[in-house]
Amino acid sequence: KQEVTQIPAALSVPEGENLVLNCSFTDSAIYNLQWFRQDPGKGLTSLLLIQSSQREQTSGRLNASLDKSSGRSTLYIAASQPGDSATYLCAVNQAGTALIFGKGTTLSVSS
Amino acid sequence: EAEVAQSPRYKITEKSQAVAFWCDPISGHATLYWYRQILGQGPELLVQFQDESVVDDSQLPKDRFSAERLKGVDSTLKIQPAELGDSAMYLCASSLHSGDGTDTQYFGPGTRLTVL
Repeated sequence: KQEVTQIPAALSVPEGENLVLNCSFTDSAIYNLQWFRQDPGKGLTSLLLIQSSQREQTSGRLNASLDKSSGRSTLYIAASQPGDSATYLCAVNQAGTALIFGKGTTLSVSS
Repeated sequence: EAEVAQSPRYKITEKSQAVAFWCDPISGHATLYWYRQILGQGPELLVQFQDESVVDDSQLPKDRFSAERLKGVDSTLKIQPAELGDSAMYLCASSLHSGDGTDTQYFGPGTRLTVL
């Protein structure tokens, strides 16, 4: 059974710092991997989707990498801002089925 | 930009009452998902539809939960009777299901259910 783990569970950084969020999964037979952002009490916003054949995806200050063989993904946030404060969720998709999520990393960026 | 719509946004109910949630996916999206997210956890699938057919409802507590997508467009999730442990965020998502690995799931704003 696929399991997704996110480390750390919480992270606090000062504004301007670069940071990395980690995601690991137990079964490398994935279709794709998505990173989401969730603000308190809100729904999920898709940030980046990496297909199984890809190594990384970039959007603005965000860069996500995927190492399928080792079951790892990272989300790199450059020059963090207070507006980046949210919970970041990693999820894997196996053969077009529903997403399997980690518990998330709650990020707090202080000004 | 097209969005997944959900209503209500918030629902407070008493134990043993019936509740219903509605979801309207992005137009043209064949696949619709209902997820439940308990505070501090990641979302977990309750039911997945492909058009009007149920693809996966293995995690749906069928003694009290039901879901339908009669015309393959919008969907309703019902709980009867509600229990204290059902308090959670209920999220609806949809995807195009292109089958080529590019499927992004788009999520609605969710319905926050509180059972008293």
